[in-house]
Amino acid sequence: GQNIDQPTEMTATEGAIVQINCTYQTSGFNGLFWYQQHAGEAPTFLSYNVLDGLEEKGRFSSFLSRSKGYSYLLLKELQMKDSASYLCAVRGAVDSSYKLIFGSGTRLLVRP
Amino acid sequence: DGGITQSPKYLFRKEGQNVTLSCEQNLNHDAMYWYRQDPGQGLRLIYYSQIVNDFQKGDIAEGYSVSREKKESFPLTVTSAQKNPTAFYLCASSPGQGVDEQFFGPGTRLTVL
Repeated sequence: GQNIDQPTEMTATEGAIVQINCTYQTSGFNGLFWYQQHAGEAPTFLSYNVLDGLEEKGRFSSFLSRSKGYSYLLLKELQMKDSASYLCAVRGAVDSSYKLIFGSGTRLLVRP
Repeated sequence: DGGITQSPKYLFRKEGQNVTLSCEQNLNHDAMYWYRQDPGQGLRLIYYSQIVNDFQKGDIAEGYSVSREKKESFPLTVTSAQKNPTAFYLCASSPGQGVDEQFFGPGTRLTVL
């Protein structure tokens, strides 16, 4: 079966660092995406990992371990505007037409 | 400006009525997708299209229909057969079916009364 797990909610303080974890079990793997979604709005692309290791993009970094079925999104120097849901999505195998499978999302609340 | 548009932002319908949600993109993308999002849940794929005049069912296609007569447009019809149609509907597109990221429209919140 296909399963993606993320924590439901997290709280952090402005200026701090937070790590949002994602574990997955999917039939086939062709990359993992992280999206940010503010309430009532469309998801926006944050990062993409297909090889093991860390991808850094400004205040945001994403890590992937394919052997462990594990990824995390690291947010540094948290700002109030980072309060949002963060969606982990795995791209499936070619026989599934590379469909994206989304986790339920992690709602992050940044407090002053 | 290039992007994906969905209209309207909010839509209300009576139970038993069919309703069509629009999705238009001017990004020249081949692939388009429809997702449904319920409170506290992730996105679930309804239908997707990799090329004009072709589309495939996603994970929750029952009670929905689509068409892809033009590259730019991928309308979704929510039929009366859909048992629980009230949800946030998101349309997305990507350049192809490979490793490209998907770009999302602003979404339509459908409420069936």
